[in-house]
Amino acid sequence: ETGVTQTPRHLVMGMTNKKSLKCEQHLGHNAMYWYKQSAKKPLELMFVYSLEERVENNSVPSRFSPECPNSSHLFLHLHTLQPEDSALYLCASSPGGSGGRGETQYFGPGTRLLVL
Amino acid sequence: AQSVSQHNHHVILSEAASLELGCNYSYGGTVNLFWYVQYPGQHLQLLLKYFSGDPLVKGIKGFEAEFIKSKFSFNLRKPSVQWSDTAEYFCAVNARGTGGFKTIFGAGTRLFVKA
Repeated sequence: ETGVTQTPRHLVMGMTNKKSLKCEQHLGHNAMYWYKQSAKKPLELMFVYSLEERVENNSVPSRFSPECPNSSHLFLHLHTLQPEDSALYLCASSPGGSGGRGETQYFGPGTRLLVL
Repeated sequence: AQSVSQHNHHVILSEAASLELGCNYSYGGTVNLFWYVQYPGQHLQLLLKYFSGDPLVKGIKGFEAEFIKSKFSFNLRKPSVQWSDTAEYFCAVNARGTGGFKTIFGAGTRLFVKA
């Protein structure tokens, strides 16, 4: 248990559905991250929030919409996804603000998403 | 652009064999280096990291990694693997970019240890 929880753990959705992924960290960290993990590809950083402000958006399609209501919670809202969006979505947190030098990131277990 | 390259997607070893997983990065400035591990069905977690000082870093479960600055490498090693080391291993580099330090991950190496 890393102190970072994600729900749901598995999600199957159609291309016209709207769903949300939730992440919660119990570590008192200031930065939170969304990553996409696909087979044989590097972890792709999607969004970074530092002290509830978005500080990074790596050219992610608008069908992915993040929300960070406070420093402990992070959401990823999904709508009109494509089959190629099927992947494991990981949430992580780190102690300082984003851009911290040498900071260890603490990961949640991920949500495995399948888009049909 | 910064990048991290892990040489092997898959490695298969027998128990007690020695392990070395390669990691190279492209960045000319100061870096901090990490190896993370993801055991089957578990979350990604830190195995070891290099911040400064001794370039030979020791981590949990008998793993170590050596930072060779001239080769832009941070290879992971273990003298004798166990079946329980079966997992996916990710190298990551933290370096200064526009707007602060960023961490970039490699594609991962999946290790399978035969009992």
